[in-house]
Amino acid sequence: TQLLEQSPQFLSIQEGENLTVYCNSSSVFSSLQWYRQEPGEGPVLLVTVVTGGEVKKLKRLTFQFGDARKDSSLHITAAQPGDTGLYLCARAWNYGGSQGNLIFGKGTKLSVKP
Amino acid sequence: DSGVTQTPKHLITATGQRVTLRCSPRSGDLSVYWYQQSLDQGLQFLIQYYNGEERAKGNILERFSAQQFPDLHSELNLSSLELGDSALYFCASSAGRTGTTDTQYFGPGTRLTVL
Repeated sequence: TQLLEQSPQFLSIQEGENLTVYCNSSSVFSSLQWYRQEPGEGPVLLVTVVTGGEVKKLKRLTFQFGDARKDSSLHITAAQPGDTGLYLCARAWNYGGSQGNLIFGKGTKLSVKP
Repeated sequence: DSGVTQTPKHLITATGQRVTLRCSPRSGDLSVYWYQQSLDQGLQFLIQYYNGEERAKGNILERFSAQQFPDLHSELNLSSLELGDSALYFCASSAGRTGTTDTQYFGPGTRLTVL
């Protein structure tokens, strides 16, 4: 079962443009994580959002968690070629008070051309 | 560098064969996770170990098995390989603390190609 839907699947833009990618679910989750994966590497955690309506900023990246905690967005301002990569959202499967394995969306593949 | 190491980086083998992928977690981490990444299925959880014991299972085939050793390194064994097993296999580790958001750190992956 695909619990997290990401859109768009692919995005190709010019350097300096702004973009937004989305992560949606029909389920409510307690927290959501965003990762970036570069070719030949494993995913790297960018941010965790926990509270409905929460906004977190990481330099030119702005992450928002929906009020109902069913969706999230990642906005990049003035994209640079170094932002190129696969952006993945993920939720943790919690059991017994412990955070367990991650359930990932299929990702948005971003290409920023100079 | 996440501190998680995986070997080998690339592996090419034939259908029907058996391979072993190895993972060393970050120093001090007790939990190890294995994930498979393919073009059609994305990144999917296979299995988790905590301090030597299996903690959770995901979409792991019966032909696949894993273990975590006393020194906390882990191995993923894939047998009777099929073409569809070609994928990137990632290991991740975390401290394994309870009641908190426990960050997982991913290794660089092993790219398996089954011919």
